[in-house]
Amino acid sequence: QVHLVQSGAEVTKPGASVKVSCKAAGYTFNNYGISWVRQAPGQGLEWMGWISPYNGKTKYSQNLQGRVTMTTDTSTSTGYMELRSLRIDDTAVYYCTRGGSESGYGWFDPWGQGTLVTVSS
Amino acid sequence: QSVLTQPPSVSAAPGQKVTISCSGTTSNIGNNYVSWYQQFPGTAPKLLIYDNNKRPSGIPDRFSGSKSGTSATLGITGLQTGDEADYYCGTWDTSLSAGVFGGGTKLTVL
Repeated sequence: QVHLVQSGAEVTKPGASVKVSCKAAGYTFNNYGISWVRQAPGQGLEWMGWISPYNGKTKYSQNLQGRVTMTTDTSTSTGYMELRSLRIDDTAVYYCTRGGSESGYGWFDPWGQGTLVTVSS
Repeated sequence: QSVLTQPPSVSAAPGQKVTISCSGTTSNIGNNYVSWYQQFPGTAPKLLIYDNNKRPSGIPDRFSGSKSGTSATLGITGLQTGDEADYYCGTWDTSLSAGVFGGGTKLTVL
C-alpha cells in the first residue's frame, strides 16, 4: 500500500528554520515526484513546490523562492522540505504528496498525514 | 486570493445532486488537466478526480468531473451526510509555472 509518513509537529520562532521529513513506502520512490502543499489555519491549499527524486530537479513557488529547499534521500525513500527565515504567517499544516512533474502535469495522491508547524515568539 | 475561483459553500439535501464549479483562465484550466480533492476537518486531502474526469480506484461513481474551456465542475450525486467536507480543485498554471488550487468549497448536506 502506498503511503507517506511525515515527521511530527514543530514549534519554532520567527527567523528560525524548520525541516519536515516525508518517508515514502509501497512504491518505487524514484519513479514519482514529491510535492509539498501547505494549509494555514482555516485557509485553503497552497502549492509550495516539487522535486524529482530521480534527478533532484525542483520547482518552487515564487512566493517562497529563496526561503525553501526541497531534497530527497533515495537510500531511505525520504523527502525533505526546509523553510528558512520563518515568519508568523508561515504557521500552517505542511503536507507532502506523491505527484507533480517538471512540466506541471500530474495529480497528487496519496498525501502524508500533515505536519503542523507553529511559528510563535 | 486564490488563482482558481470556487464558491465558498454549496448545500443540498441527502439523495440529491450538487455541482461545484472551478473557474480559471487559459493559463491554467484552459490548457492543463484538473484534479479534485476532498478534505474532512483535521485530515489530509484525498484525490477524487484526476485528468479532468477520471476516478482513482475506490472512488464511487457518484463523483464525476468535467471541464469546458476555462472552467471545471465536480458533480456529486446521491448525496450522503458523509460527503460533508471541503472540496478543492487544482491544476498547473503555465504562466506562473506553479501548481494552483481553488479556495475550496464547503459542502453541507442538509
